Amino acid sequence: DQQVKQNSPSLSVQEGRISILNCDYTNSMFDYFLWYKKYPAEGPTFLISISSIKDKNEDGRFTVFLNKSAKHLSLHIVPSQPGDSAVYFCAASARIVGNQFYFGTGTSLTVIP
Amino acid sequence: KAGVTQTPRYLIKTRGQQVTLSCSPISGHRSVSWYQQTPGQGLQFLFEYFSETQRNKGNFPGRFSGRQFSNSRSEMNVSTLELGDSALYLCASSRWTAGYQETQYFGPGTRLLVL
Repeated sequence: DQQVKQNSPSLSVQEGRISILNCDYTNSMFDYFLWYKKYPAEGPTFLISISSIKDKNEDGRFTVFLNKSAKHLSLHIVPSQPGDSAVYFCAASARIVGNQFYFGTGTSLTVIP
Repeated sequence: KAGVTQTPRYLIKTRGQQVTLSCSPISGHRSVSWYQQTPGQGLQFLFEYFSETQRNKGNFPGRFSGRQFSNSRSEMNVSTLELGDSALYLCASSRWTAGYQETQYFGPGTRLLVL
């Protein structure tokens, strides 16, 4: 049972425009969410996180939005750069119960110069 | 601060053999988690160790096992390898603070090919 879902396997965006990557979850106990970026043949790199007490967190060009009622989070990248081309994974955890992290299947982002 | 390291980076084995993968976490991180990544399947959680004890376990057969040492280094073992075990195996380390697991940081992974 996939508790974290990324329904778009791929996304193409023009350089300079906004990239929006989406993630849905089913477990209402999840209270901590993260985004990772992964290049081929490398491990995922942590990008940004958000706890359930917030609905937005920003770090430079990256902003994560959390909609708890819809069980949905999104990652916005503005402006998109060719170096952002990678696979992006969202992850969630029910920290309060000491659970593991659950990962989505990833979205491959291509930023076109 | 040094990141998570994994050895070896690449492995080729044949069906029926066993393999041991190693992970050294970031200094000060006592939690180590293992994941299997295959195309289209995302990261599948194998298990997590904290202070030499398995804390969480995913839905993998008993052929997959692990352990953690007193210095927090961890090993993962797969016995009786099958073709479907070919994957990228990732290790991640984290701290637990006030009962909560903090962000996981990943190593570069070990690419296992089973022939």
